[in-house]
Amino acid sequence: DAEITQSPRHKITETGRQVTLACHQTWNHNNMFWYRQDLGHGLRLIHYSYGVHDTNKGEVSDGYSVSRSNTEDLPLTLESAASSQTSVYFCASSDPGAPGDEQYFGPGTRLTVT
Amino acid sequence: GEDVEQSLFLSVREGDSSVINCTYTDSSSTYLYWYKQEPGAGLQLLTYIFSNMDMKQDQRLTVLLNKKDKHLSLRIADTQTGDSAIYFCAEVTNAGNMLTFGGGTRLMVKP
Repeated sequence: DAEITQSPRHKITETGRQVTLACHQTWNHNNMFWYRQDLGHGLRLIHYSYGVHDTNKGEVSDGYSVSRSNTEDLPLTLESAASSQTSVYFCASSDPGAPGDEQYFGPGTRLTVT
Repeated sequence: GEDVEQSLFLSVREGDSSVINCTYTDSSSTYLYWYKQEPGAGLQLLTYIFSNMDMKQDQRLTVLLNKKDKHLSLRIADTQTGDSAIYFCAEVTNAGNMLTFGGGTRLMVKP
């Protein structure tokens, strides 16, 4: 069955370190998204991609970067982790033009920056 | 700008109906969604409604859309303890495939 996976599921890192969160989908979806979830804010869009080599900034992109070298993967990099980036991160993918534009979400990565 | 708002918490008794409300500000919304998040899990799409509809029913779920008031609601009939979760409304606009989420409503179902 097609799926979307994230790794690691939990990560603890120190302030200033570079961290990369992986997202992998096997639906062959063109669209991929990264969100962070914080209490009181719901989900906020960090970066998104509409296809290979395409990346775009979302609402809260400062301190994050993404790259899209193939259809399946959209890794999220925190250049220099800060305590404000402690959050739960969700990756999602969608097939443009599918009914309802449904986004499929991964299980999430809980990141703690100490 | 876009803004989607929901109440934070709802508590109901098992067997009662639950109504979760959402307001949005972007009149160009094309689709509006309800997602469910169970503890420790990602979001799962429950249902969606196209902006030219005012109601959609899917088994125990009824979605009502009032475009004039920019108000969306999700009614869960015969609420069960397994319905306890956080429910997010979200919208997507003509501007692209990006979702704007509300803050989520935590539904607690008491036996």
